[in-house]
Amino acid sequence: DTAVSQTPKYLVTQMGNDKSIKCEQNLGHDTMYWYKQDSKKFLKIMFSYNNKELIINETVPNRFSPKSPDKAHLNLHINSLELGDSAVYFCASSQDGGPSSYEQYFGPGTRLTVT
Amino acid sequence: GQSLEQPSEVTAVEGAIVQINCTYQTSGFYGLSWYQQHDGGAPTFLSYNALDGLEETGRFSSFLSRSDSYGYLLLQELQMKDSASYFCAVASSASKIIFGSGTRLSIRP
Repeated sequence: DTAVSQTPKYLVTQMGNDKSIKCEQNLGHDTMYWYKQDSKKFLKIMFSYNNKELIINETVPNRFSPKSPDKAHLNLHINSLELGDSAVYFCASSQDGGPSSYEQYFGPGTRLTVT
Repeated sequence: GQSLEQPSEVTAVEGAIVQINCTYQTSGFYGLSWYQQHDGGAPTFLSYNALDGLEETGRFSSFLSRSDSYGYLLLQELQMKDSASYFCAVASSASKIIFGSGTRLSIRP
């Protein structure tokens, strides 16, 4: 029983393309996140959604657009991919958006390579 | 600005004890978390300190001093499987965690 799942696990694409990464959690959590981990393993929050509402948007380029159809899903769409977008993208969830947000459950990650 | 400082690498011997330190400077503070990440894997939650003092969970313990903006993760009876990266993270506001740059722990037999 996978708690937080992401698809695809690997994504190789060319500059300028548009791609999406899907995330689903079956933990009943209210809050979901997207993180970007670069080659130096620096883990940076991109977005946070609570009950389908955007609550954190960390100065991410407009080319990145998250969508939450329901509180169990948070997808990430990326337009006009650039070389610098190459990274591992992690989806995560936590029980709520308040103090419990310290304990987050991460998906397996999506390794995006832009050529 | 907001920053978390932790050593980039630590090496220890199997069976020994190792301490990974973390100092932070953030605009808000709810608590300090620790996460473990094996190569190619996802971060997994280890511990959380909201109040000063030591929290023990099996072989792992975590400490926090809010007045010193400092915490550490203590790993005892090291096993080879503990070789991983360890991240401290500050819950700086509701729904926002800031991660440190990670400490790569290598364990020698």
